[in-house]
Amino acid sequence: QQQVKQSPQSLIVQKGGISIINCAYENTAFDYFPWYQQFPGKGPALLIAIRPDVSEKKEGRFTISFNKSAKQFSLHIMDSQPGDSATYFCAATMEDNTDKLIFGTGTRLQVFP
Amino acid sequence: EAGVAQSPRYKIIEKRQSVAFWCNPISGHATLYWYQQILGQGPKLLIQFQNNGVVDDSQLPKDRFSAERLKGVDSTLKIQPAKLEDSAVYLCASSRIAGGPANEQFFGPGTRLTVL
Repeated sequence: QQQVKQSPQSLIVQKGGISIINCAYENTAFDYFPWYQQFPGKGPALLIAIRPDVSEKKEGRFTISFNKSAKQFSLHIMDSQPGDSATYFCAATMEDNTDKLIFGTGTRLQVFP
Repeated sequence: EAGVAQSPRYKIIEKRQSVAFWCNPISGHATLYWYQQILGQGPKLLIQFQNNGVVDDSQLPKDRFSAERLKGVDSTLKIQPAKLEDSAVYLCASSRIAGGPANEQFFGPGTRLTVL
């Protein structure tokens, strides 16, 4: 019940295309869902996060869509750029104690020119 | 502001040897975390410190792993003796406070450990 399932494992997108990464959770106590971006040789960095009281959050080219009833959320990267090539992790936690991050398994995104 | 510093960046050892990793968190950050990131998986929390006290070490294999955070600043993570399955990237992260809403964790670059 503590797992966060993430798919796909890897994704290849052409420059300008849309990248979509999906995550699913089971623990209904989770109420804070961050996404992290990790470049090779670097640690993960917080990219964008959403709370379940909204169905969508957008920051620039990055959008999180959230489906509370299905217990699913996804990251959409619009107009994907080669600089977006990285590994993306979804995570879930409880907002009143965001120390306990449960990470998905990661998606390696490659954007080709 | 300087980020989380970790050393060494890479380490190769043979099984049954010992190894230690060092972490210097962002200045002023009270909370420090050690994560294990096995290839193809997301980071898994090993231990969390609040200042120099342990908050959560429920997933730390205490028979071989130990960690300390003297004076509430730098921290070291030790593995003794190492096993093949300990091959992973060990990430250190810090945050300004513990828990609370949207308490962002800042990650260091990690130490890649290979156990032969």
